[in-house]
This record gives sequence, structure tokens and C-alpha cells, in this order.
Amino acid sequence: ELKVEQNPLFLSMQEGKNYTIYCNYSTTSDRLYWYRQDPGKSLESLFVLLSNGAVKQEGRLMASLDTKARLSTLHITAAVHDLSATYFCAVDMSRNSGGYQKVTFGIGTKLQVIP
Amino acid sequence: EAQVTQNPRYLITVTGKKLTVTCSQNMNHEYMSWYRQDPGLGLRQIYYSMNVEVTDKGDVPEGYKVSRKEKRNFPLILESPSPNQTSLYFCASSRQAGAAPNEQYFGPGTRLTVT
Repeated sequence: ELKVEQNPLFLSMQEGKNYTIYCNYSTTSDRLYWYRQDPGKSLESLFVLLSNGAVKQEGRLMASLDTKARLSTLHITAAVHDLSATYFCAVDMSRNSGGYQKVTFGIGTKLQVIP
Repeated sequence: EAQVTQNPRYLITVTGKKLTVTCSQNMNHEYMSWYRQDPGLGLRQIYYSMNVEVTDKGDVPEGYKVSRKEKRNFPLILESPSPNQTSLYFCASSRQAGAAPNEQYFGPGTRLTVT
């Protein structure tokens, strides 16, 4: 059974600071996703990481994937209040050709950026 | 506008009364999925569908049914709801480009309370 663990689960940080959220998973996969959820809202896709060493950046967020270590990181640079949200990583269990199948989400990291 | 819609958005029902939550997408996506979100547990996949007439169980399928008769629709059926199915439900869809998965687009969510 695939397990996906995020840490920390809660993160309170001041504006302007840097921090990293970690996502570890238990079995081999080279497909990892990051999503954002604002309070009371749905999920929004942030990044899709499809291969070892993949790095993607959007604004103050940068995500990377190390499939050998089974680890993805979401790095926040110079945080601003608008980044306050819950961040989820998700891993798929595709083993057949033609697309992915089961998707397992981490519990989420609730980020609060304090002005 | 490209979107995933769910209905109803809020539902309060009683134990044992069959209900259906509809999900529809207008992006011609092959892949669709249902999740439930519970505090402290993140998102857990209930069922997914790779295409019309192709469905499979996720991690928590007990007590749920799905069908995929048309590409755009993927209803979630609770034949005999119980209080432990009180949750926030999300439908999601994704295009499927060969063996490369893509990010999922989520519906707005359906908050279900079973008394």
C-alpha cells in the first residue's frame, strides 16, 4: 500500500521568510503532484512532476522531485500572506500503460503566513 | 468555461435513504475520480474511471457505487448512506495523454451530512 507523508502538517511563518514542505512516499513512483486548497474551497493544481530531478517554479513556489529518495519538496521563497493555504502532495500508482490509476494524497500541510 | 460541476453542493440526509451526487465535466477528459476529504485524513480516493464503462476501486470504496455511461458524467451513488459517510466529497477529472498523467481538475465539492 502506498503511503504519502507530508511534514510539517502545520506551518506558521512570517512574511519574507523561506521554508520547505517535504513529501515522502513509500513505493516507487515517478509521478507526483502538488495542489493548493484555500479554506472552504476546492483544490487547485500547482505542479506536476513527472521524472527524477524534475524542478518546477511558479512565482514564490518551487517544487522538486527525487524519485530515488522518494521525496518531493515544495520550497517557499519570501513568503507572502496570499500563500496561506493547505498544500497537498499526491502520488499515483500507475503500473500499466495508458495512464495513471490510483492516486494517494498526503494529509496536507496547513501554511499560515503572518504579516 | 472549462469546469467540473457537482450537484448538490450541500446535502443533509438520513441513514439509509439512497442518494446520488452528480459530477460533470466539459473538458472531454478521459479520467474521472471521486474523493472524500475528512479532517486529519486528507483526501482519499473512492473510485476512479479511466474511460467510459471502465471504473475501479480506490482506497475507500465501501458503501459507494459509481457508473460511467457517458464520458462527461461520473455520478457517485450511496445506496444506503450511514453517518460515517458524512464528509466533503470532490469529483475530479483529467485528460490522459498516453502514459503521461496530468493534473486533476477538481469540482467545488459536495458537503454531505448523514444523520
